[in-house]
Amino acid sequence: ETGVTQSPTHLIKTRGQQVTLRCSSQSGHNTVSWYQQALGQGPQFIFQYYREEENGRGNFPPRFSGLQFPNYSSELNVNALELDDSALYLCATAGGGRARDTQYFGPGTRLTVL
Amino acid sequence: GQQLNQSPQSMFIQEGEDVSMNCTSSSIFNTWLWYKQDPGEGPVLLIALYKAGELTSNGRLTAQFGITRKDSFLNISASIPSDVGIYFCAGPELQGAQKLVFGQGTRLTINP
Repeated sequence: ETGVTQSPTHLIKTRGQQVTLRCSSQSGHNTVSWYQQALGQGPQFIFQYYREEENGRGNFPPRFSGLQFPNYSSELNVNALELDDSALYLCATAGGGRARDTQYFGPGTRLTVL
Repeated sequence: GQQLNQSPQSMFIQEGEDVSMNCTSSSIFNTWLWYKQDPGEGPVLLIALYKAGELTSNGRLTAQFGITRKDSFLNISASIPSDVGIYFCAGPELQGAQKLVFGQGTRLTINP
């Protein structure tokens, strides 16, 4: 096991609602990335946080936002949910230096938007 | 952005057979990562490669970082039922954040 945990494991929301997903980092890892994985696809990068600052963003609209806390845990917030937001949301953490290239994933949160 | 092409997309093999899959790119990567993902779960890191030409094993798994830095392969020897799943290659983009780019995945099915 990686030591990366995510909560909740499953979530059902309706269109227009807001959702917050949480990720606890593996010990010693100060970089957290969030990915969206649609069924049958590879993970797509949403954004990354390093030392509490956003460190890069993928092709996702501003209604996807995040936070990283001093203990390196992180939240992903999605506002105004759309049906297409239904997916597996994954967080991945990494350590410093060269180890920042090597990301360890949590088990994911399955979000269903009705 | 950078892209990874993974092949084959799917494999149907008999238990005990060896498996080989590969990943190629038109641009270089400084790190290659191989993950396995079971349905509804997060990807699990199998092998990380950091140097061109590097050959690394993890039990029955062996992976190599291509000399050109544009390709990598993963071999599984003597496959067993728990090897079933989707295998992804991935690498961090060279610019900016360590955004991982993923291949399309190889779905491995094993007939007992």
